[in-house]
Amino acid sequence: AQSVTQPDIHITVSEGASLELRCNYSYGATPYLFWYVQSPGQGLQLLLKYFSGDTLVQGIKGFEAEFKRSQSSFNLRKPSVHWSDAAEYFCAVGGPSGNTPLVFGKGTRLSVIA
Amino acid sequence: DAGVIQSPRHEVTEMGQEVTLRCKPISGHDYLFWYRQTMMRGLELLIYFNNNVPIDDSGMPEDRFSAKMPNASFSTLKIQPSEPRDSAVYFCASAYGFVHEQFFGPGTRLTVL
Repeated sequence: AQSVTQPDIHITVSEGASLELRCNYSYGATPYLFWYVQSPGQGLQLLLKYFSGDTLVQGIKGFEAEFKRSQSSFNLRKPSVHWSDAAEYFCAVGGPSGNTPLVFGKGTRLSVIA
Repeated sequence: DAGVIQSPRHEVTEMGQEVTLRCKPISGHDYLFWYRQTMMRGLELLIYFNNNVPIDDSGMPEDRFSAKMPNASFSTLKIQPSEPRDSAVYFCASAYGFVHEQFFGPGTRLTVL
């Protein structure tokens, strides 16, 4: 069965510093991978997605993620964090076969300090 | 489009009462998903519909939970009777195509006293 692990429950970074959020997945074939962001009191918003092709994916708000099949990872990165990036981040995996719904990780809460 | 609309945004009720959560998906989307989010369990898929037909309800925790989608623009999630452990944020999401981006509503925060 597919699964997603986000090893970091909470990360604190300084404004302007770089960011990397980790995501490891388990899936029997080539997965579809997603990163969502949830601001307080809001629903989840898609940051970026990987279906196929270039393993480095660009998303909204300056985020990018890299699919590494050999490591079963899909880490999210941002070169310079802004205070408004403080939120909860969810990685999700789905299958292209069309009969496996998205499975979400438990999320990583990002705090940004001045 | 206004996005996925959920109502109410907050619901406080007493144990044993019936609770109905409502969702209006984005027009043209053919999939609708109901999720529950808690600190302990994270985001859980409860049930999803395709073209108004329930496809997988294996995530529905108990018979006290039921969901319907009478038409393409409306879905309900009902809890009867409600219990304190049902307290959570319930999200509705819709998508065009099963494997594509899911658009989430703002959620309903349910508190059962």
